[in-house]
Amino acid sequence: GAGVSQSPSNKVTEKGKDVELRCDPISGHTALYWYRQRLGQGLEFLIYFQGNSAPDKSGLPSDRFSAERTGESVSTLTIQRTQQEDSAVYLCASSLRNGNTEAFFGQGTRLTVV
Amino acid sequence: QQQVKQSPQSLIVQKGGISIINCAYENTAFDYFPWYQQFPGKGPALLIAIRPDVSEKKEGRFTISFNKSAKQFSLHIMDSQPGDSATYFCAASRATGKLIFGQGTTLQVKP
Repeated sequence: GAGVSQSPSNKVTEKGKDVELRCDPISGHTALYWYRQRLGQGLEFLIYFQGNSAPDKSGLPSDRFSAERTGESVSTLTIQRTQQEDSAVYLCASSLRNGNTEAFFGQGTRLTVV
Repeated sequence: QQQVKQSPQSLIVQKGGISIINCAYENTAFDYFPWYQQFPGKGPALLIAIRPDVSEKKEGRFTISFNKSAKQFSLHIMDSQPGDSATYFCAASRATGKLIFGQGTTLQVKP
């Protein structure tokens, strides 16, 4: 596709349920990021995939959060046993090579935990 | 050492004025410093970026000033327009690492 695609665009879930967020990066981009943005706040780093290297998971806030990426394509961010504090916009970005090239962001998934 | 500190948190400028946003970093291994612009409901988009081998980069009304010794860089928006009203994020990275973002600055340009 032309840009980074995220789905769903909006997700409302009940507290305690698991959710899965999807990111389709730009074709050929080897680097992929997930960020969390709470209302009116900055971009909180979650996880970074770079090619075949082990992902940088240093930003995942708890073991309820996990992410996978198949090769250099789709990534899924899974949040287990969702809590109200997980409510935020989850942004995915991809870049051609690494952290030193332009990152292109998707529109985000707005997650609301009720 | 991985942090990027951004200020101010919010900024109000009159149309035609100069908007200035500042960032500071600690990790001297960083070698790429982009600025992103985010409009409500949208993902951030790259505005302008600089590498530490130059002290200034200008693209239209947007200029990055970079001070390697002070480990600071700033975004200047000349002739600010209401359409520039958005949230601006500075960031830093190194070749093998992730992009680390500042906390963001909400800019309002008054007509």
